[in-house]
Amino acid sequence: DVKVTQSSRYLVKRTGEKVFLECVQDMDHENMFWYRQDPGLGLRLIYFSYDVKMKEKGDIPEGYSVSREKKERFSLILESASTNQTSMYLCASRIYRERQPQHFGDGTRLSIL
Amino acid sequence: GNSVTQMEGPVTLSEEAFLTINCTYTATGYPSLFWYVQYPGEGLQLLLKATKADDKGSNKGFEATYRKETTSFHLEKGSVQVSDSAVYFCALSDRASSNQGGKLIFGQGTELSVKP
Repeated sequence: DVKVTQSSRYLVKRTGEKVFLECVQDMDHENMFWYRQDPGLGLRLIYFSYDVKMKEKGDIPEGYSVSREKKERFSLILESASTNQTSMYLCASRIYRERQPQHFGDGTRLSIL
Repeated sequence: GNSVTQMEGPVTLSEEAFLTINCTYTATGYPSLFWYVQYPGEGLQLLLKATKADDKGSNKGFEATYRKETTSFHLEKGSVQVSDSAVYFCALSDRASSNQGGKLIFGQGTELSVKP
């Protein structure tokens, strides 16, 4: 079974802090993704990565950056956290092959105070 | 552009009732279709998938058939349990998005509540 592990289930940070959300997968998947999920807005793609050191903006990249230095790890960075970034963050990974699904972690519920 | 439309929730059923959650899509070519389930406080789990027309995906008593003629992928279960209470997401991946890192297009999700 694919295992996608997010470093924290719950996180509380203060406005203006630099926040790191970590995601690790154990299946040597090339593709990795970061989403945020908000009531009434569904899942929105923030960033994704084709492979190591590669990144692409998703639908809502503003206020975020990412890092993919190793194949198994994809980090989401909030450069200066704001209250409107309070949300559920979901990481996913996928093997780079046609018609394959994404596999998700358990999510990190982030509160910015 | 490509899109996925799900029936709005919440859907409330009694235990052992029959479940249908409608999902229709708009896409070019032959997309792959997926159903994901999200239990309260958790991430999304892949429930089932279908990769070509007339394929039937099935898992844990849930089924969905890829209907190209009606561009639909409705989720069904013959007898729901309280433990099936969750949010269900329909999603698609077309050839272009597969080649662009495998992005998925999600529906808005349908909340299911099953009462004893």
